Amino acid sequence: DAKTTQPPSMDCAEGRAANLPCNHSTISGNEYVYWYRQIHSQGPQYIIHGLKNNETNEMASLIITEDRKSSTLILPHATLRDTAVYYCIVRVVNTGTASKLTFGTGTRLQVTL
Amino acid sequence: KAGVTQTPRYLIKTRGQQVTLSCSPISGHRSVSWYQQTPGQGLQFLFEYFSETQRNKGNFPGRFSGRQFSNSRSEMNVSTLELGDSALYLCASSPTGPGEQFFGPGTRLTVL
Repeated sequence: DAKTTQPPSMDCAEGRAANLPCNHSTISGNEYVYWYRQIHSQGPQYIIHGLKNNETNEMASLIITEDRKSSTLILPHATLRDTAVYYCIVRVVNTGTASKLTFGTGTRLQVTL
Repeated sequence: KAGVTQTPRYLIKTRGQQVTLSCSPISGHRSVSWYQQTPGQGLQFLFEYFSETQRNKGNFPGRFSGRQFSNSRSEMNVSTLELGDSALYLCASSPTGPGEQFFGPGTRLTVL
């Protein structure tokens, strides 16, 4: 799986959009970008994933650059409950592929009043 | 659907003892993965079981082992506990393996 680079920490005011960047310059054509988050002392929570098109769900939007070397997770209206460590993970997804996730150090997002 | 459950939630053991942790995946999920989380090493993959077979293994010593039952429930065992085994042990399940994984709340193991 390709390596990812994320800033160690970010701050965001409540109600504003949180934009979390991720660099994955060595990504291969068959590797997806996944985002998980971990709220303090809880199990990680899946947020969103994508291959090359931008994706949106009820939690967030994922913007992947055209060359796929980087991506941005967008939380449109951050709340205090979004304070967590956010992990960007790149991995191959094929039927029968083992489910190993390789977590980096992630970005600690602090949402403030 | 009920989420992934892990028991016990907290455990205190002493060095040299062994411990067994249990994970019940979401109904219908056949893949169960285990992770160890420590402040120093972060989240690290231990192993994955699919249909009662270990399908992938991380870089951990043989003291760490696991198994999966026919109902997809999984257990992991750590023998001859060391102080460094103190960690949050997380279990994750998914329908087939790839794709989204659902994590349990974890078991916090303290080795004294």
